[in-house]
Amino acid sequence: SQQGEEDPQALSIQEGENATMNCSYKTSINNLQWYRQNSGRGLVHLILIRSNEREKHSGRLRVTLDTSKKSSSLLITASRAADTASYFCATPTQTGANNLFFGTGTRLTVIP
Amino acid sequence: NAGVTQTPKFQVLKTGQSMTLQCAQDMNHNSMYWYRQDPGMGLRLIYYSASEGTTDKGEVPNGYNVSRLNKREFSLRLESAAPSQTSVYFCASRTSPWEDTQYFGPGTRLTVL
Repeated sequence: SQQGEEDPQALSIQEGENATMNCSYKTSINNLQWYRQNSGRGLVHLILIRSNEREKHSGRLRVTLDTSKKSSSLLITASRAADTASYFCATPTQTGANNLFFGTGTRLTVIP
Repeated sequence: NAGVTQTPKFQVLKTGQSMTLQCAQDMNHNSMYWYRQDPGMGLRLIYYSASEGTTDKGEVPNGYNVSRLNKREFSLRLESAAPSQTSVYFCASRTSPWEDTQYFGPGTRLTVL
């Protein structure tokens, strides 16, 4: 399976701290995406990093991609209670349909 | 601009009953998707429609059928619901299969007794 696996499964931090979650995948990819899911809601796209990029920033988010290790990390700096959510990585399939495989997610809790 | 909408939000069925989950998008997207999400698991693709007039099976299609009614609407039908189909169902869309970002609806929480 190409499905990504996030690590850790759950993470609890104090407001203001940084949160780091990791994603590993199994096959070569041309991009990797991160999505956020608030409780009871649909997924929302956060950021996409392409295989020729090593690092990408968007506001308080920093994503890295190491294609040699087949892994990515998502760093949220200066976390806020509103960042409490589940975070998923998604990788494209190698089929012509270019569908997405989603990992099992990291549940982040930011304590005020 | 409502994005991706799904109806109903919640549904309880008895084993053997049938129902159709509705999805519509107003972003003029060509591709639409149905996923299910179960506790401790990521999203699993049930069916997808790369463009109007086409539908294809995803990872877990058994027990489901779909209809791409027009460019806006993509419905998911359970002909004879089973307890194993208790899940949260999400519809998503994107501009085309070559556009990477998907846009998700709010989900339908289905319980089959």
